[in-house]
Amino acid sequence: AQTVTQSQPEMSVQEAETVTLSCTYDTSESDYYLFWYKQPPSRQMILVIRQEAYKQQNATENRFSVNFQKAAKSFSLKISDSQLGDAAMYFCAYRSTPYTGTASKLTFGTGTRLQVTL
Amino acid sequence: KAGVTQTPRYLIKTRGQQVTLSCSPISGHRSVSWYQQTPGQGLQFLFEYFSETQRNKGNFPGRFSGRQFSNSRSEMNVSTLELGDSALYLCASSLGGGFDEQYFGPGTRLTVT
Repeated sequence: AQTVTQSQPEMSVQEAETVTLSCTYDTSESDYYLFWYKQPPSRQMILVIRQEAYKQQNATENRFSVNFQKAAKSFSLKISDSQLGDAAMYFCAYRSTPYTGTASKLTFGTGTRLQVTL
Repeated sequence: KAGVTQTPRYLIKTRGQQVTLSCSPISGHRSVSWYQQTPGQGLQFLFEYFSETQRNKGNFPGRFSGRQFSNSRSEMNVSTLELGDSALYLCASSLGGGFDEQYFGPGTRLTVT
């Protein structure tokens, strides 16, 4: 079974600064997907960024980028130019490919609460 | 395109009762997955329905069940409610091929007293 670990329960960043959230995972699969989701106080889970394991290039979405280290099974999220609206819980998640038959299941980490200060 | 909708948004039930939660996926999406979110256990996968069939199931007791209708709307039922069933229940929809993203609804907050 796959596991996802987020070792930082809380992080704080000043507005306009950069912050990196950590995530490690464990799997025996060679191909899979990794995600970062954001859950603001409204509780709606929003996809931030997605990485496919077979792609060596790190994914980027505007101010959000990842550092994907497949051998180390590490998947960190970097938020640049932090904004007040970035304050939320951030969850790292793992998903198998459709070839395993369990592609619909997301395995989540415990989350990191990000505070953004002025 | 309308997003994933869940009803009701809030629910209070008494221990021993049963409850039904509803999820309407994004138009064209055929897969609906359900997750339970609690402070103690975090986010856990309950089950997934695709084309009216349960395709995947998590490690939850049989009191948790679901179904999907021909229009892809899904319902989740919990029978004989326990205090520990108090949680935020999230559903997510996707096209169902396994390569696409899951889009989450706003959740139903269930409180069992």
